[in-house]
Amino acid sequence: AQSVAQPEDQVNVAEGNPLTVKCTYSVSGNPYLFWYVQYPNRGLQFLLKYITGDNLVKGSYGFEAEFNKSQTSFHLKKPSALVSDSALYFCAVRDRTGGFKTIFGAGTRLFVKA
Amino acid sequence: DGGITQSPKYLFRKEGQNVTLSCEQNLNHDAMYWYRQDPGQGLRLIYYSQIVNDFQKGDIAEGYSVSREKKESFPLTVTSAQKNPTAFYLCASTPSFGQGGTQYFGPGTRLLVL
Repeated sequence: AQSVAQPEDQVNVAEGNPLTVKCTYSVSGNPYLFWYVQYPNRGLQFLLKYITGDNLVKGSYGFEAEFNKSQTSFHLKKPSALVSDSALYFCAVRDRTGGFKTIFGAGTRLFVKA
Repeated sequence: DGGITQSPKYLFRKEGQNVTLSCEQNLNHDAMYWYRQDPGQGLRLIYYSQIVNDFQKGDIAEGYSVSREKKESFPLTVTSAQKNPTAFYLCASTPSFGQGGTQYFGPGTRLLVL
């Protein structure tokens, strides 16, 4: 069965420090991989996606993600965290072989302390 | 301004009542989705539609119904058969398949039971 795991319910980091939000997946083939962010009582916003090519994907607001095929991981990173980055982050995967379904992880809450 | 709108922002349901959540998009996207979000569980797919007059059940369709009479509209009805409807409901859309499947989300509707 296809699945996405975000092993940390919450990540705490000090402002200015680097942050990492982890994601691993179990999907057959080479899926599309996504990160979305959600602020309180809002819909999800697209951050970045991996389709093919360079394993390091750059996205919005200074975020980037590293695709590791052998470890089936797609960790979200940012070199220097901001207080305004505090939000709920979702990793998601979508099968390339067809269909319209996207599978979301349970989400990781990021707290950035000033 | 292109985007997805959902209404109302808050909706209160009485016992035995059916309620309908609105979702409209002006992005000219083919596919539309309804998700339910509960704390700590991520997003779960209720229904999705790839084209007008066609839709498929997602993972938790029981107690819900949808219609897709127009490309831009995908309303969700929460029926009295849904015994635990309190949740945050998110509508999303994607362009035609083959563009990576980035999902665009509406702002959400929070459904509460009186």
